[in-house]
Amino acid sequence: DAGVIQSPRHEVTEMGQEVTLRCKPISGHNSLFWYRQTMMRGLELLIYFNNNVPIDDSGMPEDRFSAKMPNASFSTLKIQPSEPRDSAVYFCASSFRASGTSTDTQYFGPGTRLTVL
Amino acid sequence: KQEVTQIPAALSVPEGENLVLNCSFTDSAIYNLQWFRQDPGKGLTSLLLIQSSQREQTSGRLNASLDKSSGRSTLYIAASQPGDSATYLCAVWVGANSKLTFGKGITLSVRP
Repeated sequence: DAGVIQSPRHEVTEMGQEVTLRCKPISGHNSLFWYRQTMMRGLELLIYFNNNVPIDDSGMPEDRFSAKMPNASFSTLKIQPSEPRDSAVYFCASSFRASGTSTDTQYFGPGTRLTVL
Repeated sequence: KQEVTQIPAALSVPEGENLVLNCSFTDSAIYNLQWFRQDPGKGLTSLLLIQSSQREQTSGRLNASLDKSSGRSTLYIAASQPGDSATYLCAVWVGANSKLTFGKGITLSVRP
């Protein structure tokens, strides 16, 4: 298995531009997570999906951020318009299940390093 | 709100030393606790997962313990090697809505 695939690996854009990050989870996994990592705040959960349905988006910082999962093998995280404070590494992770009693491990992608100038 | 703390933020040790990485969390009502490893420029890799009913888990030279009542976990690395140099993150699984809350990690450097 190729693991969780993210694209692009690096993105440099100017303030105000739209940014779309992409993720392909591991085949057979039913849960997908988007995280953001910064030096100041560490790793934060933005949103997660179960069976393509958004379950918890309380970590999405503001309306400029949106995420979709149109099918079991693809998800996008979009920032529109982007701002310099959005600069961070964005990780996608997937697991077989995500429930209150789950012991399933999350598998992380390599991340997308976003720089907004 | 659950908070996970890892102190110190960085640690440097000579090769061969046994070491302990600490993690503390504020709310003991967790479902499980996980330790992850992150190499520079890479994603996270799960090392060990301890369920709330367990006290410890072992994998090779790694041993993780959990004391829910005191809100603490430790990751023990035996006979450290330069290849162990990485950032180690602790995370707790909280609530029925399945959210992992992470500490900021401890960056470990093992000197040859």
